[in-house]
Amino acid sequence: EAGVAQSPRYKIIEKRQSVAFWCNPISGHATLYWYQQILGQGPKLLIQFQNNGVVDDSQLPKDRFSAERLKGVDSTLKIQPAKLEDSAVYLCASSRQDVYEQYFGPGTRLTVT
Amino acid sequence: EDQVTQSPEALRLQEGESSSLNCSYTVSGLRGLFWYRQDPGKGPEFLFTLYSAGEEKEKERLKATLTKKESFLHITAPKPEDSATYLCAVQPNTGNQFYFGTGTSLTVIP
Repeated sequence: EAGVAQSPRYKIIEKRQSVAFWCNPISGHATLYWYQQILGQGPKLLIQFQNNGVVDDSQLPKDRFSAERLKGVDSTLKIQPAKLEDSAVYLCASSRQDVYEQYFGPGTRLTVT
Repeated sequence: EDQVTQSPEALRLQEGESSSLNCSYTVSGLRGLFWYRQDPGKGPEFLFTLYSAGEEKEKERLKATLTKKESFLHITAPKPEDSATYLCAVQPNTGNQFYFGTGTSLTVIP
């Protein structure tokens, strides 16, 4: 079974630029999560989707971050405009609808200069 | 406020030297507690889910236990390949958030 796929793996941008990350979850997983992991910290949940709908986005900085999940499969996370403090690894995870164990992708390491 | 604290921050063990990692949590009610392993440059890898106090789960050299205020990850006779950061996460029974601790970085020396 293929795991969670993410791209790109690395991205370097200047502050005030925009960036987008893509995630393809494990086939059949209804729930998709985006996390931000700053160096030396644990992952912080930004947004959770159940199929097409948003379940929780309480910690998503909505003035600059947006996310969508079209057709209940792939998802994109966008940052516009980026700030220096957005430098982090952005992790995507997915899980089956009836259990809470999450399976993570390799992450996208974002550096904002 | 919901909170997760892991200790120690870092742990160095000799191969074969057993030890325990701690995860203490403060939530109004617990839906689940999760342990993950994270290798450098990779996403976390799921290890265990615990739901209620007194529950225990084992996998190879790892054993996770849960009380009403904390969880322990016991590592028996560790090997160098067990070196990684171990993350604990909790999901309160209200809302849909998951809260991760900052992890314990384990190094097992041959």
